[in-house]
Amino acid sequence: DAGVIQSPRHEVTEMGQEVTLRCKPISGHNSLFWYRQTMMRGLELLIYFNNNVPIDDSGMPEDRFSAKMPNASFSTLKIQPSEPRDSAVYFCASSLHIQGDYGYTFGSGTRLTVV
Amino acid sequence: AQTVTQSQPEMSVQEAETVTLSCTYDTSESDYYLFWYKQPPSRQMILVIRQEAYKQQNATENRFSVNFQKAAKSFSLKISDSQLGDAAMYFCALTSGTYKYIFGTGTRLKVLA
Repeated sequence: DAGVIQSPRHEVTEMGQEVTLRCKPISGHNSLFWYRQTMMRGLELLIYFNNNVPIDDSGMPEDRFSAKMPNASFSTLKIQPSEPRDSAVYFCASSLHIQGDYGYTFGSGTRLTVV
Repeated sequence: AQTVTQSQPEMSVQEAETVTLSCTYDTSESDYYLFWYKQPPSRQMILVIRQEAYKQQNATENRFSVNFQKAAKSFSLKISDSQLGDAAMYFCALTSGTYKYIFGTGTRLKVLA
């Protein structure tokens, strides 16, 4: 398996522009997570999907952020309009929860810079 | 509330030596899981080792092992025979089996040649 695939790896955009981050989870995993990593706040869970359904979006900072999972193999995180404080590394992770908890598999992340 | 504390922002170890990274946690749950993740400069978070709280035996994965002290709520990671490729940020994480993981702030490990 190729693992969790995120694109783009780097994104530089101007303030006010729309940004879309993409994620392909591991085939067969039923849970998908979007995390944001910054020096100040560490790793923050933004949203969690289970079987393509958003279960918990309480970590989404504000209405400018939205996430979708139209099918089991694709998810997007959109920021519109983007602001400099959104600059961070955004990770997608997936997992299979059956019995016990075996940890996430993370993608390589997207480094977003908003200027 | 669950918390994870990594009190060592940075550690250094000589190549081939052993180093221990500390992690303490707090949870009121009786059933939970603990993890160590490695984040090298390539940025991807990689699962290093996993421990189930109900198991008394410490988990091991090759050169990586943990010292799990349930009563003390301590979960340290020992890296034996350190290699240059072990240089990375290491994160301790806790989950009670729900989807939410609580991550520590990380320890940056430097390996000296």
